[in-house]
Amino acid sequence: GDSVTQMEGPVTLSEEAFLTINCTYTATGYPSLFWYVQYPGEGLQLLLKATKADDKGSNKGFEATYRKETTSFHLEKGSVQVSDSAVYFCALTTGFSGYSTLTFGKGTMLLVSP
Amino acid sequence: EAGVTQFPSHSVIEKGQTVTLRCDPISGHDNLYWYRRVMGKEIKFLLHFVKESKQDESGMPNNRFLAERTGGTYSTLKVQPAELEDSGVYFCASSPASTGLILEKYFGPGTRLTVT
Repeated sequence: GDSVTQMEGPVTLSEEAFLTINCTYTATGYPSLFWYVQYPGEGLQLLLKATKADDKGSNKGFEATYRKETTSFHLEKGSVQVSDSAVYFCALTTGFSGYSTLTFGKGTMLLVSP
Repeated sequence: EAGVTQFPSHSVIEKGQTVTLRCDPISGHDNLYWYRRVMGKEIKFLLHFVKESKQDESGMPNNRFLAERTGGTYSTLKVQPAELEDSGVYFCASSPASTGLILEKYFGPGTRLTVT
């Protein structure tokens, strides 16, 4: 079956540090890849996505590139802020349209200190 | 536009009791999903409604869980009787009617269920 593996947390960084959260996947079909973020007290929000190999998703300064050869979708940000403190989930789907269900990783907590 | 809402935000019950979780999707969204995150583990799919019909309930753990979506609007997830391993955060998500594209799912804040 499909699965997503992401690095264990928490990841603790100082403000303006560089962030990488690793994510690798296995999938039976050709997946679309996502990063979701959950800020304290809020629901999961879609951060970015990529639907085919070599696509780069980006949003709010975060980026991730769909690497089919290494089955990876690592999340990066050049300079983190305290407000980026949250739990980040890597996910995939191999379905289409509204019938697609998501397969998630375990989540990585990011803590950014001033 | 209001987002996906879930009630209650937190529920603490004893083993053997019954709990009902509620999800109100974004108005007009035909697709409604339930997911669950057990502590320290992945968020797992439970089931998917299209309007009032169950499209996929392959993720439901056992027959102690019953989901309904009467009238195709809000949904309830009942756990009866609750067991310790049911503790976790239950997320609801919704998305518009299928268009053949991969649609963004809008998640609610989750209900944290603690079974003691």
